[in-house]
Amino acid sequence: DAKTTQPPSMDCAEGRAANLPCNHSTISGNEYVYWYRQIHSQGPQYIIHGLKNNETNEMASLIITEDRKSSTLILPHATLRDTAVYYCSLGKTSYDKVIFGPGTSLSVIP
Amino acid sequence: GAVVSQHPSRVICKSGTSVKIECRSLDFQATTMFWYRQFPKQSLMLMATSNEGSKATYEQGVEKDKFLINHASLTLSTLTVTSAHPEDSSFYICSAPGGAGANEKLFFGSGTQLSVL
Repeated sequence: DAKTTQPPSMDCAEGRAANLPCNHSTISGNEYVYWYRQIHSQGPQYIIHGLKNNETNEMASLIITEDRKSSTLILPHATLRDTAVYYCSLGKTSYDKVIFGPGTSLSVIP
Repeated sequence: GAVVSQHPSRVICKSGTSVKIECRSLDFQATTMFWYRQFPKQSLMLMATSNEGSKATYEQGVEKDKFLINHASLTLSTLTVTSAHPEDSSFYICSAPGGAGANEKLFFGSGTQLSVL
């Protein structure tokens, strides 16, 4: 079973920030938080990952709480092309098998 | 960046035939690859972990004799669905870890939509 929980769906207005939460209360000390997304009928795409510090790249920002039991993926200016299912997962390395939960279906609305 | 190429993207076959799906890491070596299956409106389900030069590790409930995995080189893993039946119709996706460090990301193929008639 996936060790993360996410809301099943969210809406976001185009141009606004999309904040996607993930709970991972049983995370162990050496596990990273990974985020992927899957646009309909395509293979998933890596977004970002982090251990305990907040991370930012060209796609998104990742905010991890101090106790590491939850995190938030932030898409700063959502576009229609960001409509996808977003998956939060845990792993010690990328060689760990990834068990995907149901994810959050994000709909960006014009 | 690293690319995982998966072929074919779509295949239609008759019941009882076998179908091979290829997954290649184009600009990096992949000692490990993962195979997933996805039914409509569902999440990805891990089927097996493919290891170069050794036997694949299958998840519970996945028939290893039906879903044959071969990882004969550092850049190629194949999944063969043997004696396919309509219930095997699904979206199959491969992935491989890549990057400079062990904690880098998973790269995914574009998926193969299998339809068994």
